[in-house]
Amino acid sequence: GENVEQHPSTLSVQEGDSAVIKCTYSDSASNYFPWYKQELGKGPQLIIDIRSNVGEKKDQRIAVTLNKTAKHFSLHITETQPEDSAVYFCGKGSASKIIFGSGTRLSIRP
Amino acid sequence: DSGVTQTPKHLITATGQRVTLRCSPRSGDLSVYWYQQSLDQGLQFLIQYYNGEERAKGNILERFSAQQFPDLHSELNLSSLELGDSALYFCASSQTGRNTEAFFGQGTRLTVV
Repeated sequence: GENVEQHPSTLSVQEGDSAVIKCTYSDSASNYFPWYKQELGKGPQLIIDIRSNVGEKKDQRIAVTLNKTAKHFSLHITETQPEDSAVYFCGKGSASKIIFGSGTRLSIRP
Repeated sequence: DSGVTQTPKHLITATGQRVTLRCSPRSGDLSVYWYQQSLDQGLQFLIQYYNGEERAKGNILERFSAQQFPDLHSELNLSSLELGDSALYFCASSQTGRNTEAFFGQGTRLTVV
């Protein structure tokens, strides 16, 4: 119940197209779902987060959707740009810790 | 710059040795997390502290220990090091440690030879 499954592990999209990364979990205690972006040689950085009382949140080209009944949440990046190339981690948070998925390496093809 | 400072940035040591990694959280943050990231792996949660007290424990080996001091900085101690302990170790901090954004440091790259 502690893990969060993240798919796909690698994703290559054409510049300008959309990218979608999905995560699933199984416990009922998690109520905070952040997404982090990790660029080469850097620490992860929060790009968007959502709490369990919200179904969708958008910030410019990035959106996150949460289906708490089905226990899955997704990251959507529209109009992808070269600078979107990075590793993305989904996370699930409860009262005391944030557990991360295994990561998705996103590559943007010119 | 996230405001979280980790030292040293790089560390090379031999098997069987002991090392200490240091983390200074963002000003005002009371909670510190430690994560391990092995090559091409995800972020494995090790341990969390809040205001000096251990709050949550993950898959942290018995050879590893941590503490958070009164000034809120934290140290991760790794002993009897093995080759497999080579990894990036990240510290993150947050205000409350409960369902809030965690800010990550740049990490300490540990190489065990």
